[in-house]
Amino acid sequence: SYVLTQPPSVSVAPGKTARITCGGNNIGSKSVHWYQQRPGQAPVPVIYYDSDRPSGIPERFSGSNSGNTATLTISRVEAGDEADYYCQVWDTTSDLYVFGAGTKVTVL
Amino acid sequence: EVQLLESGGGLVQTGGSLTLSCAASGFTFSSNAMSWVRQAPGQGLEWVSSISATVGATFSADSVKGRFTISRDNSKNTLYLRMNNLRVEDTAVYYCAKHQGAAAGSYDAFDLWGQGTMVSVSS
Repeated sequence: SYVLTQPPSVSVAPGKTARITCGGNNIGSKSVHWYQQRPGQAPVPVIYYDSDRPSGIPERFSGSNSGNTATLTISRVEAGDEADYYCQVWDTTSDLYVFGAGTKVTVL
Repeated sequence: EVQLLESGGGLVQTGGSLTLSCAASGFTFSSNAMSWVRQAPGQGLEWVSSISATVGATFSADSVKGRFTISRDNSKNTLYLRMNNLRVEDTAVYYCAKHQGAAAGSYDAFDLWGQGTMVSVSS
């Protein structure tokens, strides 16, 4: 089955840029969605279809997808961005929704 | 207010059964596919099962196929998950999630999530 690979953790200083990668075989041919999950809360979508921002999500959040890697970028990181982030795709080969294992973003 | 409210979680022994419900409000429930996604304690998100908006097409993860059944009642704006032959590894918070579109197996994202209901399976 299709596998999405994310780094377990990313640390970033306030005001700097965090980049979270999501690796998968030819992931550039798929639509990637990203979710933020703060501790004790339900997931919230932050990026749709590789790079679209849902209503209410700050412009600091952006996404890209090409080749074997999709990337979520958080610019001018704030303390409130500290959370787990998950990438997700629909795999047409197996008819399964797939999530990455998640990346914990720590704001130093 | 647009929201999803799960219920029905609890403690059950291995081999037991449980039915989860998800009450939707604030949007046209019959227009959107729905899914269940679970999260074991301290672990990541795992998709469980999806159902289309009206035609009843369903998809399920291999880990629950043959044991869990997803269904919906559009007249009651409610999504269900019937869980049979429960295992310890089914212990998790179960979230219901709304799809952006009507098709269950599609490139759509999950654009609205409930707060989850906890299912604990003991041996």
